[in-house]
Amino acid sequence: EVQLVESGGGLVQPGGSRRLFCAASGFTFSNYEMHWVRQAPGKGLEWVSYISSSGSTIYYADSVKGRFTTSRDNGENSLYLQMNTVSGEDTAVYYCARVLRYFDCLDYWGQGTLVTVSS
Amino acid sequence: ETVMTQSPDTLSVSPGEGATLSCRASQSVSSKLAWYQQKPGQAPRLLIYSASTRATGIPARFGGGGSGTEFTLTISSLQSADFAVYYCQQYNDWPYTFGQGTKLEIK
Repeated sequence: EVQLVESGGGLVQPGGSRRLFCAASGFTFSNYEMHWVRQAPGKGLEWVSYISSSGSTIYYADSVKGRFTTSRDNGENSLYLQMNTVSGEDTAVYYCARVLRYFDCLDYWGQGTLVTVSS
Repeated sequence: ETVMTQSPDTLSVSPGEGATLSCRASQSVSSKLAWYQQKPGQAPRLLIYSASTRATGIPARFGGGGSGTEFTLTISSLQSADFAVYYCQQYNDWPYTFGQGTKLEIK
């Protein structure tokens, strides 16, 4: 069974940093591209970042570019999102999601982890 | 950036009836369009990809159509489990973008 489990969320002060984790199981993680998507409270979905299966290609939304860094460790079946210089606009549930191979859409999502930016 | 616009924002339908949700792209996304269902407190679930292909385990009452800039999600004979928020997403170009969502509520 495919499972994606995010962790690392919590309360962060404005200007601070946080590292999110996504643990993958039930599939060969190294074969799959991955994304981060976020959802502010009561709002819609916002794409955040993409990483290729090898980690060699990474894309970011303009809203996080230069502040967030996505990485992965295929040996540990893990995906990461390093969040720096956060602001209230970064308050959201952060989901990791797997790419459906050959079709580029997102076929499995984790349950999400909530990051709240507040002083 | 390709802007995705869904209509209506809210759709009220009685159980057993059908519903059609729309999604418009600001430029062509070919058929690289997905639909997701999200219930309160849950992660989104993939329903449709490539505009019209049902994802694994999705019932046949869910149907997708369209290409280019105009897309529809049709749900026939609505069941209580179908009342949720639905999002379209284009994955034709970067950044991937989602529509604002359509809330399907019980009439």
